[in-house]
Amino acid sequence: EAGVTQFPSHSVIEKGQTVTLRCDPISGHDNLYWYRRVMGKEIKFLLHFVKESKQDESGMPNNRFLAERTGGTYSTLKVQPAELEDSGVYFCASRVTGSRNTEAFFGQGTRLTVV
Amino acid sequence: AQSVTQPDIHITVSEGASLELRCNYSYGATPYLFWYVQSPGQGLQLLLKYFSGDTLVQGIKGFEAEFKRSQSSFNLRKPSVHWSDAAEYFCAVNYGGSQGNLIFGKGTKLSVKP
Repeated sequence: EAGVTQFPSHSVIEKGQTVTLRCDPISGHDNLYWYRRVMGKEIKFLLHFVKESKQDESGMPNNRFLAERTGGTYSTLKVQPAELEDSGVYFCASRVTGSRNTEAFFGQGTRLTVV
Repeated sequence: AQSVTQPDIHITVSEGASLELRCNYSYGATPYLFWYVQSPGQGLQLLLKYFSGDTLVQGIKGFEAEFKRSQSSFNLRKPSVHWSDAAEYFCAVNYGGSQGNLIFGKGTKLSVKP
């Protein structure tokens, strides 16, 4: 069974440009999460999808970030326009629906560098 | 605010030595606790988790962790470290309010000396 897959693994863009990160969750996992780790800081929650609906987007830093999950399958996270402080590693995780003690499976992350 | 503290940023141990990584969480009624490991170039892999019951939890790769409610701690241990254990370790907690989103500590980077 394929795990959570993220594309690209690395991205270097200039300040002001747009970048789109993609996450393919494990098939059948209705819950999809985005997290971010800025250099030297903890991994922080960004948002949570249940199927195609945003369940919780309280962690989104500002309106330059837009997440979508059309059709309830893969998800994209777009940063437009990117700023220097957006640099970090973006993780995606997926989990089956059920009690909250089911395991979340993480992707390998996308390392974003804004220069 | 709810938080997780990993007081050690970087730890170095000799291969074969024992290991304990510390984790403290802010008070919560029924925390669900996790330890994840990230090896270079890899994603986060779940080592073990605690939800209820026996406070000593066994995980993969020979790791275990003990939940101590009185100390709000969930320390990770391994009796004998292998060179392949060199990685970054993250403690995380889920208080259940947002259907599964995790609060992470800053991570502890483990180096293993031959």
